[in-house]
Amino acid sequence: GAVVSQHPSRVICKSGTSVKIECRSLDFQATTMFWYRQFPKQSLMLMATSNEGSKATYEQGVEKDKFLINHASLTLSTLTVTSAHPEDSSFYICSARDSGGANEQFFGPGTRLTVL
Amino acid sequence: AQKVTQAQTEISVVEKEDVTLDCVYETRDTTYYLFWYKQPPSGELVFLIRRNSFDEQNEISGRYSWNFQKSTSSFNFTITASQVVDSAVYFCALSEGLTGGGNKLTFGTGTQLKVEL
Repeated sequence: GAVVSQHPSRVICKSGTSVKIECRSLDFQATTMFWYRQFPKQSLMLMATSNEGSKATYEQGVEKDKFLINHASLTLSTLTVTSAHPEDSSFYICSARDSGGANEQFFGPGTRLTVL
Repeated sequence: AQKVTQAQTEISVVEKEDVTLDCVYETRDTTYYLFWYKQPPSGELVFLIRRNSFDEQNEISGRYSWNFQKSTSSFNFTITASQVVDSAVYFCALSEGLTGGGNKLTFGTGTQLKVEL
């Protein structure tokens, strides 16, 4: 079956540092990936749509200069949280669309970010 | 704009009881997909079902069943003979416009299900 991985699964960093999160489709190509954020006891909210070879599309209210997205290959999208602050602590989860298949999307296991 | 409403924030049942989780959605598209996901404490989303807007047939998978009614814009989820392992947060979600359901998802606020002995 289709598998999406995320790395790291958990990260703790100091305020002001940058953190990179990777989302990989392991056995399919994904021209489109989505990044969601989930604060404790809340729902998942879409942050941005990542498109291979082009700029990401950000949802209203999401700072594109703070959350840098790079989708340089058909199997990898990265989300970099720049100058992270405690309020950025959250669960970040990606999904990838199987572009060569039936357009289904598959979720990664998520990355728990804690900013001290 | 698309919207998903899960009015039940938390439900507690005793093991072996049946429980229904409600989901109401709003969309202007004629092509859309509805999903249910389970999120255990580990956080990983577990896919349960995907249903397209053209298929109103109810579905049963083991102890799980789903009732899709376009007339009331609802896609309810029933667990029969609940078990402690069913305890989790359950999300209903909607994807518009793309065949296969591979477009961005709008999630409901989730229902926390607690199954006690």
